[in-house]
Amino acid sequence: DAGITQSPRHKVTETGTPVTLRCHQTENHRYMYWYRQDPGHGLRLIHYSYGVKDTDKGEVSDGYSVSRSKTEDFLLTLESATSSQTSVYFCATSVQGSEAFFGQGTRLTVV
Amino acid sequence: GENVEQHPSTLSVQEGDSAVIKCTYSDSASNYFPWYKQELGKGPQLIIDIRSNVGEKKDQRIAVTLNKTAKHFSLHITETQPEDSAVYFCAARDSGGSNYKLTFGKGTLLTVNP
Repeated sequence: DAGITQSPRHKVTETGTPVTLRCHQTENHRYMYWYRQDPGHGLRLIHYSYGVKDTDKGEVSDGYSVSRSKTEDFLLTLESATSSQTSVYFCATSVQGSEAFFGQGTRLTVV
Repeated sequence: GENVEQHPSTLSVQEGDSAVIKCTYSDSASNYFPWYKQELGKGPQLIIDIRSNVGEKKDQRIAVTLNKTAKHFSLHITETQPEDSAVYFCAARDSGGSNYKLTFGKGTLLTVNP
């Protein structure tokens, strides 16, 4: 898993509450990504980072924000969780031009 | 942006048979095409990849072919085994902006029956 740790691994939260998911890597990879996985949709990119404090939106970024203050940490925040954000979230890292390595995922349930 | 279509969504084969999963992409500038295997409860893991300057690549029982003119690529698994049962994703790398974003297909659930 290229030293990728996602936390928490499981979380249940209430609608309207803020939620932060953490991705920590030990490989010093420059690129980091947040994907969500839903049945029938595959993996969809939420946000990505190409360096410390350098982030950009993916295809499903509405309702999400990210921050990367250190190379090793990439945080995904749901400002006000909604039921449509119930999903499995995957963090991935990449070295320029090579494969992406994925974490084990975080299962988030918004009730 | 890039769009990747993957077929079939489910595939069931008998142990020892071959399995083929096909993907098409839309961005002719895409130049990197990886395949990932995802087992239940785990994150996707790369099993093979191909770059646009190569037409075919093999790794033991797994092979990938790429047709850049038609903008499609395929995963071939020969002599399938029960442990090949998993969800397989194809992807294409968005070459715009050099930020190495991967766009994924929706996945294929492969079941290998003993």
